Amino acid sequence: QVHLQESGPGLVKPSETLSLTCAVSGGSMRSYWWSWVRQPPGKGLEWIGEIYYSGRTNYNPSLKSRVTTLVDRSNNQFSLRLTSVTAADTAVYYCASHMAGVNTFDSWGQGTLVIVSS
Amino acid sequence: QSALTQPASVSGSPGQSISISCTGTSSDVGGYNSVSWYQQYPGKPPKLMIFDATNRPSGVSNRFSGSKSGNTASLTISGLQAEDEAEYYCSSYTSINTPLYVFGAGTKVTVL
Repeated sequence: QVHLQESGPGLVKPSETLSLTCAVSGGSMRSYWWSWVRQPPGKGLEWIGEIYYSGRTNYNPSLKSRVTTLVDRSNNQFSLRLTSVTAADTAVYYCASHMAGVNTFDSWGQGTLVIVSS
Repeated sequence: QSALTQPASVSGSPGQSISISCTGTSSDVGGYNSVSWYQQYPGKPPKLMIFDATNRPSGVSNRFSGSKSGNTASLTISGLQAEDEAEYYCSSYTSINTPLYVFGAGTKVTVL
């Protein structure tokens, strides 16, 4: 398991872009899928999307038009961009990982709360 | 509305066994063995408890076990302890052109 740590603004204005970064430590990014999962306050978990260390991506169809994930192998980190945010995007955002071929998230970041408000 | 159906709450007395069900469809739970269970305390990230429906990661108590039959997976906690009081989420891998991973709405386990 690796250690994951999210970072980014805790407050984003409506219609603007949410940008988060997840730093990976304690292991290589190779052979892993790197995901983003969010949890609105008091609600359940929603998978946003993932990126492989090679750059291949998969996204939740409900968010696909607004989501971009990037991987920065030289700095051992990956990022999330969510455009045109609304109050419905207010949530704790987690980065998580799973080994290729193993469809379970075995490492999670601590999570970062992002509030969408003017 | 979550893709997987879980009971909102389950309770039990210390020492008892409880089970949490997770019902999906043949496109997720029934179609793959990739069902996972996560434990979450308030303000904390989820922790993996069961993967591939029945496997326990190293370090997880053997009081936690998983099973699957058809479109329904289950998590059983035996010898219930106060520290087991938490929210539990099931998750399943699904097919391409849907969210690759779907979650249940969560089950609050209360130790009486």
